[in-house]
Amino acid sequence: KNEVEQSPQNLTAQEGEFITINCSYSVGISALHWLQQHPGGGIVSLFMLSSGKKKHGRLIATINIQEKHSSLHITASHPRDSAVYICAVKGSNYKLTFGKGTLLTVNP
Amino acid sequence: NAGVTQTPKFRVLKTGQSMTLLCAQDMNHEYMYWYRQDPGMGLRLIHYSVGEGTTAKGEVPDGYNVSRLKKQNFLLGLESAAPSQTSVYFCASSPPDLGEQFFGPGTRLTVL
Repeated sequence: KNEVEQSPQNLTAQEGEFITINCSYSVGISALHWLQQHPGGGIVSLFMLSSGKKKHGRLIATINIQEKHSSLHITASHPRDSAVYICAVKGSNYKLTFGKGTLLTVNP
Repeated sequence: NAGVTQTPKFRVLKTGQSMTLLCAQDMNHEYMYWYRQDPGMGLRLIHYSVGEGTTAKGEVPDGYNVSRLKKQNFLLGLESAAPSQTSVYFCASSPPDLGEQFFGPGTRLTVL
């Protein structure tokens, strides 16, 4: 069983919709990352958080350490938000453990 | 700053051939990583380095070797390529605290 589970695996939305992607993990962590990967593209770090909530533009990331759960929200979604969103957790060492990703498609 | 760069971007090998992938970073990061990404699977760590002259095995190290002779460079070698090594390879670097990892653009490798 993967230590990091994301849901849903695939998500299709209409432009303007509010989107939520979830990430659950089973181990103690020091930080959680949300990454974005466009089709055929590289990987970009969106957020790194260890508690609470962070916001950047239309993106909001939250984490609940007690429940071992994080969510990534996108407000007023746009077709350019179409990408794979990856959750990754960092334990006590230097390494990240990655989820399999959520493929988001936003239709105009 | 270029960030993290990878060479080459694409490569096709025949089974048994060897090659070296080069990763370079200009952010003076201590830590560097090599990952592979396969369909339906998350990124998996091949090898990593916590400083110049040091390397360590990750989750899937078999069939790969690495070297970190200079702080800014991390090389990934395939001595005898196999079709199972067909994948997209990403290099990343990070500072030694809880800092985020910065990824290169990836190398798409096909082994026939």
